[in-house]
Amino acid sequence: AQSVTQLDSQVPVFEEAPVELRCNYSSSVSVYLFWYVQYPNQGLQLLLKYLSGSTLVKGINGFEAEFNKSQTSFHLRKPSVHISDTAEYFCAVTRGGGANNLFFGTGTRLTVIP
Amino acid sequence: EAGVAQSPRYKIIEKRQSVAFWCNPISGHATLYWYQQILGQGPKLLIQFQNNGVVDDSQLPKDRFSAERLKGVDSTLKIQPAKLEDSAVYLCASSLMETQYFGPGTRLLVL
Repeated sequence: AQSVTQLDSQVPVFEEAPVELRCNYSSSVSVYLFWYVQYPNQGLQLLLKYLSGSTLVKGINGFEAEFNKSQTSFHLRKPSVHISDTAEYFCAVTRGGGANNLFFGTGTRLTVIP
Repeated sequence: EAGVAQSPRYKIIEKRQSVAFWCNPISGHATLYWYQQILGQGPKLLIQFQNNGVVDDSQLPKDRFSAERLKGVDSTLKIQPAKLEDSAVYLCASSLMETQYFGPGTRLLVL
């Protein structure tokens, strides 16, 4: 089975500062990796995904993530955050190939301080 | 394109009562998922359907939870009887291939 560890449960950052949210995964097979964002009282919105190819993937709202197979990581980054980025961020992994169950981390609460 | 629809958005019941949640996936998506998200945790899969067949229900507490997807489109998740620990957000997702798209969820509070 696959699993995900999000090392930081809360990350406070000042507006316009850069941010990195860390995600490490565990799997014995090839994987697909995802980052989702959850705003209060809403469902999960896809930010970006890695399926194959270039290890640097760009998503919506200026976010990007880098897949590092040797370190089994998929950290999320943004060079300059906005107040509107305040939300819960979830990293998720699934077995590669087709429609499979997603395994989620416990989430990182990003709080952007004015 | 319409997203995944869920209803109701909120539900409050007393323990031992029953409750049902409804999900309408994105048109054409063959795979439908129900996840349970307890406060402070990531979502966990309850059941996965491929068309109207069950692919994975290994984490579904079958003594109290049931789900169906008649005609391979809409789905209903039921809890009977509910326990206090069932208080959570129930998320429905659908996919065509590997990418899952989520609905707004149903927030359940069991008193």
